Amino acid sequence: EAGVAQSPRYKIIEKRQSVAFWCNPISGHATLYWYQQILGQGPKLLIQFQNNGVVDDSQLPKDRFSAERLKGVDSTLKIQPAKLEDSAVYLCASSLAGGRAETQYFGPGTRLLVL
Amino acid sequence: AQSVTQLDSHVSVSEGTPVLLRCNYSSSYSPSLFWYVQHPNKGLQLLLKYTSAATLVKGINGFEAEFKKSETSFHLTKPSAHMSDAAEYFCVVIPAGAGAQKLVFGQGTRLTINP
Repeated sequence: EAGVAQSPRYKIIEKRQSVAFWCNPISGHATLYWYQQILGQGPKLLIQFQNNGVVDDSQLPKDRFSAERLKGVDSTLKIQPAKLEDSAVYLCASSLAGGRAETQYFGPGTRLLVL
Repeated sequence: AQSVTQLDSHVSVSEGTPVLLRCNYSSSYSPSLFWYVQHPNKGLQLLLKYTSAATLVKGINGFEAEFKKSETSFHLTKPSAHMSDAAEYFCVVIPAGAGAQKLVFGQGTRLTINP
């Protein structure tokens, strides 16, 4: 079974530029998550989708971050404009139905460096 | 807010000796607790989870954890460390009452195995 796919794996941009990350969850998984992991810290949930609807985006900095999952499968996370503090690994995860304590499967992440 | 505290940022053990990674949680209710492992340049992988069934939970690769409500602890152990166990380990909680499946990660413990 194929895992969660993410691209690109690495991205270097200058501050105030925009960047987009792509995630393809495990086939059949209804729930998709984006996490931000700053160096030396644990991942922090940015947004959770159930199919193509947003379940939780309370920690998403909405003035600069946006995410969509238009067809309920792939998802894109965008940052515009980027700040130095956005340097982090962006992790995508998926789970079958979003039930409590259901296992989340993580992708390898996209490492972003903002200069 | 419910959270987890990993008591050691770095643990170093010799190959073949026991491993103990400590985690305390704060919760008014019986939470769902997890341990995830993150190897360099790889995605997060679930080791084990506690969901109010048996208090001693067995996971993959010989790891286990014991839920102790009186001590609000969920320490991760392994009888004999292997070189391949070197990685970052995260204790994770789903706060009780959370409508979404919101994983709250600890700061992480880096495990080093000495030959």
